Amino acid sequence: GEEVAQTPKHLVRGEGQKAKLYCAPIKGHSYVFWYQQVLKNEFKFLISFQNENVFDETGMPKERFSAKCLPNSPCSLEIQATKLEDSAVYFCASKPGAMGNTIYFGEGSWLTVV
Amino acid sequence: DQQVKQNSPSLSVQEGRISILNCDYTNSMFDYFLWYKKYPAEGPTFLISISSIKDKNEDGRFTVFLNKSAKHLSLHIVPSQPGDSAVYFCAASARYGGSQGNLIFGKGTKLSVKP
Repeated sequence: GEEVAQTPKHLVRGEGQKAKLYCAPIKGHSYVFWYQQVLKNEFKFLISFQNENVFDETGMPKERFSAKCLPNSPCSLEIQATKLEDSAVYFCASKPGAMGNTIYFGEGSWLTVV
Repeated sequence: DQQVKQNSPSLSVQEGRISILNCDYTNSMFDYFLWYKKYPAEGPTFLISISSIKDKNEDGRFTVFLNKSAKHLSLHIVPSQPGDSAVYFCAASARYGGSQGNLIFGKGTKLSVKP
């Protein structure tokens, strides 16, 4: 597609439940990024992919968070055993390739953990 | 340790006047800088960018200036319009080292343009 598509737009989970977010990058874009924005503060980088391979995972919490980008499927970000502090907007973004410098963002998925 | 800083949380400007949004960075490896505009409940929208080999880039009403020695960049919007009211995020990237193209963001500046 012509834009980064994220689903769901809103997700409410009880503490301890699993949350899974999906992202379809712009068609033809080979890099995918996940960012977390808590309480309207700066965007925290989580992980990036080059096609289906993890490119940079330095921002991913060591526990409970995982992400995948499989061929012919939307990318996903999964949080096991959610905690209150996981409440945030999760943005997915993509860029065309290694030489492309501009990252294009989706609308975000609002996760609320209650 | 914040590598990209936007020290003004908010800015109010009269319609038709110039808006100047500032951004400072600390990492000398950064070589590409971008400005994003964000409306509530939407994703950030790319506005304009500049490579470290330039000191100015212009696109319509938007101009970005880069001062590498001061590690400072600014976004000028002229003339400002009420539709420009949004949160503006400065972002930086080190394409050939460190973050491998990953963007590091500032905390944003909320611009209000009053009619």
